[in-house]
This record gives sequence, structure tokens and C-alpha cells, in this order.
Amino acid sequence: EADIYQTPRYLVIGTGKKITLECSQTMGHDKMYWYQQDPGMELHLIHYSYGVNSTEKGDLSSESTVSRIRTEHFPLTLESARPSHTSQYLCASSDGQGIDEQYFGPGTRLTVT
Amino acid sequence: KNQVEQSPQSLIILEGKNCTLQCNYTVSPFSNLRWYKQDTGRGPVSLTIMTFSENTKSNGRYTATLDADTKQSSLHITASQLSDSASYICVVGPPLNDYKLSFGAGTTVTVRA
Repeated sequence: EADIYQTPRYLVIGTGKKITLECSQTMGHDKMYWYQQDPGMELHLIHYSYGVNSTEKGDLSSESTVSRIRTEHFPLTLESARPSHTSQYLCASSDGQGIDEQYFGPGTRLTVT
Repeated sequence: KNQVEQSPQSLIILEGKNCTLQCNYTVSPFSNLRWYKQDTGRGPVSLTIMTFSENTKSNGRYTATLDADTKQSSLHITASQLSDSASYICVVGPPLNDYKLSFGAGTTVTVRA
């Protein structure tokens, strides 16, 4: 089992609220990623980071923002949640070596009412 | 159009039986192909990773094959168990910029007693 953690696991929140999804890993990986996954659909990359103070947007446009102040921590923030943000959010990390396998956290299921 | 197509979308099999899942991709160039298992409400877990030069790789009762010429891969599950009930995701990785993984939508396997 990979040492990558996400909190909360489930979140139901009202429209307009600010939320932060937490992701942390204890493997010392430099690379970290955020994916969005809707039921029955493929994962879409929304943010990634190659190290501290490095963040980039992924292929899927997202209104969320991320920060990477510490190697082990990669939180995702939504300033004003909307029903369209309802989805599963998966965090992953990799060591950037060789085939660079990604290890995924358990995910956060977000529902915006 | 997704560059990684999986079939069938879902299937039901009896415990102890075998099944084969298909993955066709158009991603080019590519350096590796991965199969992940995703339990409901959890993050994906890696089953196999094959480079473009490998034809087959096994992980216990899971055997993946790859034909880079026809751009097809399959995942064979032998002697299925109830714990095999999950979504199986095919993922193609390009030679560079590993963050650009291409995900299939997955095949949902249900194993019945």
C-alpha cells in the first residue's frame, strides 16, 4: 500500500464555500499530481508539481488552485465551490525515476449542493 | 475522442472463471502501458507496467499482454475471486513528460459467487 493520504475522504458542502482538499505523502517523492474522475469516466489531470514551489495546470481546465510549499504536502483549494465541482479528486505522487510509476491516494469524494 | 479505448465497459463473471479485458490505444509515441485496479471509492493500484518492448507481464492471477504493432493490450484474470470485483484501467505513458498519462475509462468487473 502506497504511503499517500487524502483528507477528507468524503465532503458535502454548500455552493459558494471555500474548501481545501489535503494530500500528503511520506515517500519523499518530488512529483505530485491531482486528478479529477467522474463515475465511469477516465481520470483527467488538473494540476501537477515537479517539486517545491513548482506547480502547473494539467490538461483539464479547473477553477481550483494548488500549492507546494513542502515536498510532502500538495493541497488543492476551491475558493467558491459550485455543483459543477462535484466529482472524485485523486492525488498521486511519483519519484521521477525510470518508468516513474504513480502511486495514488484513496481519493476525496466531493459533493457540492 | 479518448486515445485509450477499453472493452467491454462492464462484465459479470462467476467466481472461479477466467476473463479477458481489452485495451486499444492510439497514443503515439509511447514508452509503457500500465494496468491499474481501482476498487470502488479507492484510488487506482498498479497491477502491471510493461515497456513497449515487452509482450507479457504477470502479477499473480493477472497477466497483461501487449502488441505494440497493433496497439492492443489485454488483461487476463485467472480463477477470479470475489475480491477481483473492481474497475480495471488501462493507461498509456509517453516517452517524455510522464505527467501526460492517457487513461482509459475502465472496465468494471463484477465477480458473483
